[in-house]
Amino acid sequence: GAGVSQSPRYKVAKRGQDVALRCDPISGHVSLFWYQQALGQGPEFLTYFQNEAQLDKSGLPSDRFFAERPEGSVSTLKIQRTQQEDSAVYLCASSLHQGISYNEQFFGPGTRLTVL
Amino acid sequence: KNQVEQSPQSLIILEGKNCTLQCNYTVSPFSNLRWYKQDTGRGPVSLTIMTFSENTKSNGRYTATLDADTKQSSLHITASQLSDSASYICVVPRPGTYKYIFGTGTRLKVLA
Repeated sequence: GAGVSQSPRYKVAKRGQDVALRCDPISGHVSLFWYQQALGQGPEFLTYFQNEAQLDKSGLPSDRFFAERPEGSVSTLKIQRTQQEDSAVYLCASSLHQGISYNEQFFGPGTRLTVL
Repeated sequence: KNQVEQSPQSLIILEGKNCTLQCNYTVSPFSNLRWYKQDTGRGPVSLTIMTFSENTKSNGRYTATLDADTKQSSLHITASQLSDSASYICVVPRPGTYKYIFGTGTRLKVLA
């Protein structure tokens, strides 16, 4: 596709439910990032993939958060037993090369998760 | 501590007017700085990247400046349009890593 796509765009979950958020990066992009963006704040780093390898998951807030990119393209962010504090927009970004600071990250439109 | 701070937090201007958004950073060593535009309900889109050797760079009606000595950057929008209404986020990479340090953004509203 022409850009990074994410699905669903909106997700409402009851507290305690599991959710799965999908990211389709730009074809051929090596690096993939997940971010969490609270209302009125800048994105916060969650995790980073280089191809299928998850090189950094230091930003995941708890062990309820799990991300994978098994074939080095599509990625899924899974949140188990959702809590109200998980409500946020989850952004996915990809970049062409392995992660260095000059590489532009291209962002998807995000998934807005609301936990009731 | 590596930080990126932006001002003002929000701004309302009339269509056709100019405005300037500010970004101060304490990141060191510094390599580059990006300005992103984030429309409501969308992901951020890069407007421009400034490296430490660049002072000014334009992208249409957007002009970014960088003063590496004072660690300040500004984004000037000329002849604002309704479509400029968005959040503008200043981003600096964390030294030696692929991680971005994001500012909290300036929310701009352009009124007709």
